[in-house]
Amino acid sequence: IAGITQAPTSQILAAGRRMTLRCTQDMRHNAMYWYRQDLGLGLRLIHYSNTAGTTGKGEVPDGYSVSRANTDDFPLTLASAVPSQTSVYFCASSVEAGSPGPYGYTFGSGTRLTVV
Amino acid sequence: AQSVTQLDSHVSVSEGTPVLLRCNYSSSYSPSLFWYVQHPNKGLQLLLKYTSAATLVKGINGFEAEFKKSETSFHLTKPSAHMSDAAEYFCVVSVENTGGFKTIFGAGTRLFVKA
Repeated sequence: IAGITQAPTSQILAAGRRMTLRCTQDMRHNAMYWYRQDLGLGLRLIHYSNTAGTTGKGEVPDGYSVSRANTDDFPLTLASAVPSQTSVYFCASSVEAGSPGPYGYTFGSGTRLTVV
Repeated sequence: AQSVTQLDSHVSVSEGTPVLLRCNYSSSYSPSLFWYVQHPNKGLQLLLKYTSAATLVKGINGFEAEFKKSETSFHLTKPSAHMSDAAEYFCVVSVENTGGFKTIFGAGTRLFVKA
């Protein structure tokens, strides 16, 4: 089934530890995004990638890094986790770079991360 | 600059009654507007979109929204609520400007449906 796979689905992480959230899509979409969802704040963009080999900073990039070595994969890394990074993380993709396009974004099911 | 405001953090309706979820936006350019639905522990799913075609947009599951430029609104409606409609709904605005595309999510409206 075409779509986005995120792993893990949930994780409890000690503060100061390093963590990589995985995201893989099989739709050959050019653009991919990482959002965090916090109660009352909606979704906020962390990082994005318009095409393989390029990345950019979103609204809340501090403490996070991404890479886009190929079209399908877009991992998000927390180098040294802090409690304020407790959130639900969603990976998304779109056909056209930088825009939802006519079909909107496709979202993964999310990773619920708790930093203690 | 662009922004999107969902006027209600939560809405409660009885099954079989109409649903109205309100969304206002501001944009210096012609926007594309979207509504997404998120069921518990799931990702977001596209309900419908407005991209400068017909101002009344029909989506999945009986939902529709009307783009009103004069009121800068894009309210989501459904004639008759079903229990399965209980979820969180997000209004999204996307604008292309000189800096490229920018997409902003509203804070969300949680819809409760009472039996």
